[in-house]
Amino acid sequence: DVVMTQSPLSLPVSLGQPASISCRSSQNLVYSDGNTYLNWFQQRPGHSPRRLIYKVSIRDSGVPDRFSGSGSGTDFTLKISRVDAEDVGVYYCMQGTYWPPTFGQGTRVEI
Amino acid sequence: QVQLVESGGGVVQPGGSLRLSCAASGFSFRNYGMHWVRLAPGRGLEWLAVIWHDGSNRQYGDSVKSRFTISRDNSKNTVDLEMIRLRDEDTGVYYCARDLPKVTTPAPDFWGQGTLVTVSS
Repeated sequence: DVVMTQSPLSLPVSLGQPASISCRSSQNLVYSDGNTYLNWFQQRPGHSPRRLIYKVSIRDSGVPDRFSGSGSGTDFTLKISRVDAEDVGVYYCMQGTYWPPTFGQGTRVEI
Repeated sequence: QVQLVESGGGVVQPGGSLRLSCAASGFSFRNYGMHWVRLAPGRGLEWLAVIWHDGSNRQYGDSVKSRFTISRDNSKNTVDLEMIRLRDEDTGVYYCARDLPKVTTPAPDFWGQGTLVTVSS
């Protein structure tokens, strides 16, 4: 299985400051169609997971533009340009290029 | 609005069985593939199973293959997860989530609120 490795696992942040989460895959995530199926999910306390970004950098509808995704191949990054109090929670990357789909360990973002 | 509501969780002894159900509303259920994913204590998210929109294809994670069975009823807008020979490590919150009809590159875009399964003697 493809191993997804996130860092850091815990990220203390200050309100209004930027934050960045790294996700590395054990295999290149480019699919046969040329797309890269790397997703980011947010799980806020007491809530179910929410997809923020798919195919590396495409934001889902309703996701604030302070969230952005980037990367290629095996290295990916989720950035929050200015952390808001509602951004507290655990963030997961997930690859959908290979079966079975696999998640990173999660990064806990706390103020 | 889109809703996925899981049910059927509870406490079960090791070796026991449980059937989870997920009721969908607010969207055309028959046009979506459906996943089951769990959040185990201290272990993060783990993908378990997927079924295509028409039930023609199912895939399972290695840890649950041969023990869990995913099924769906498009007339009732439900997707189920039958779990047998449960182990302590199956404890967690179980989520259903929707995806594109023929899930070839998983990217579930909406998740239910989850149902808790506790395997303990």
